[in-house]
Amino acid sequence: SYELTQPPSVSVSPGQTARITCSGDALPKQYAYWYQQKPGQAPTLVAYRDTKRPSGIPERFSGSSSGTTVTLTISGVQPEDEAAYYCQSADITSSYVVFGGGTKLTVL
Amino acid sequence: ETHLVDSGGRQVKPGGSLTLSCVSTGVYFSNYSLNWVRQAPGKGLEWVSSISFRNNDVFYADSVKGRFTISRDNAKRSMYLQMNDLRPEDTAVYFCTRDWASVTPGEYIYYGMDVWGRGTTVTVSS
Repeated sequence: SYELTQPPSVSVSPGQTARITCSGDALPKQYAYWYQQKPGQAPTLVAYRDTKRPSGIPERFSGSSSGTTVTLTISGVQPEDEAAYYCQSADITSSYVVFGGGTKLTVL
Repeated sequence: ETHLVDSGGRQVKPGGSLTLSCVSTGVYFSNYSLNWVRQAPGKGLEWVSSISFRNNDVFYADSVKGRFTISRDNAKRSMYLQMNDLRPEDTAVYFCTRDWASVTPGEYIYYGMDVWGRGTTVTVSS
């Protein structure tokens, strides 16, 4: 089955830049979507179609894509950005939804 | 602003059955495809099932195919997940979600899952 691979954890100090990657063989052909999940809460969409940002999401969140890897970049990380981040895409053969394993962002 | 309210989760014995519900507070419910996504304790997100807005096509993860059934009632702005033959590995928080998409004749542009319920907890244990 198709898999999306994320690093389990990323740590940065406040004000620094955090980069969270997501790798998958189909990513050159399928868009990626990013969700933020804080403890005890439902996820929130923070980026879509690789590089777009939904209304209401701070400009410090941005997405990029290169080959089989997509990246969520958080510039000038704030303490409130500490959360788990999940990428989502689709299996190219079935079109079924696939989530990455998630990355825990720790703000030191 | 649309909200999704998911409910129905409880503790059930292995082999048992349960039906989850998701009610939308927004209008135009019938215009949206919907999903169930679950999260086992301390684990990541797992897509479970989807139902389309257009013709009620349904899709299931391999892990639940043949045991779970997704359905919707647009008049009641509701979606359901009938779960049979439950297993301990089905223990999770179940979220209902809405697909954000642009639909025009001949084109469907997907933007992600933009509305999530707060989740309802299913525990499968004897």
